[in-house]
Amino acid sequence: NAGVTQTPKFQVLKTGQSMTLQCAQDMNHNSMYWYRQDPGMGLRLIYYSASEGTTDKGEVPNGYNVSRLNKREFSLRLESAAPSQTSVYFCASRGAANANEQFFGPGTRLTVL
Amino acid sequence: QKEVEQDPGPLSVPEGAIVSLNCTYSNSAFQYFMWYRQYSRKGPELLMYTYSSGNKEDGRFTAQVDKSSKYISLFIRDSQPSDSATYLCASYSGSARQLTFGSGTQLTVLP
Repeated sequence: NAGVTQTPKFQVLKTGQSMTLQCAQDMNHNSMYWYRQDPGMGLRLIYYSASEGTTDKGEVPNGYNVSRLNKREFSLRLESAAPSQTSVYFCASRGAANANEQFFGPGTRLTVL
Repeated sequence: QKEVEQDPGPLSVPEGAIVSLNCTYSNSAFQYFMWYRQYSRKGPELLMYTYSSGNKEDGRFTAQVDKSSKYISLFIRDSQPSDSATYLCASYSGSARQLTFGSGTQLTVLP
């Protein structure tokens, strides 16, 4: 049981480049989330998916798009990266058995130059 | 104003000390309150959660919620160097599908 996995672990982009962050979970969870974590700001929700086939905006969705590819996978895309998107990105999932607990991946450290 | 406010610290204590970590929240609809622990360069993991007001104890950890004052606390007894981490409080209402996190408090327990 790997839990929540994220790729890549690290990435450096130039302004204007695009990239996709990948996330997968093997816990058969319905809900999946993308957060960014910045110093002093805590975790802020970018997008979430309550179930396969649905996605909704969170607190800071601008500049991002998501795809819930299937029940296991939820990807985050930066179409035209900006320095303000330099952050640590976490994917999380949540099951129905315990709605209070989100399981987080190890994170992707992204730097945009 | 953020819906969940948390003192960012950092907080440094000697081993064996009692630690008190605190948050306040503004959304009266919040009913579920959680504490997540995040070790350096790792993802957060759930430490404890409580529903509505009251206390919950788990080993050396006690979570406390006072809904009248909108105050959330986590107490750590006999703190250990292995408790050194960032602690994040989080809340949500029953109808919401998303957690609202505080900014986190960085704790260092010195041996």
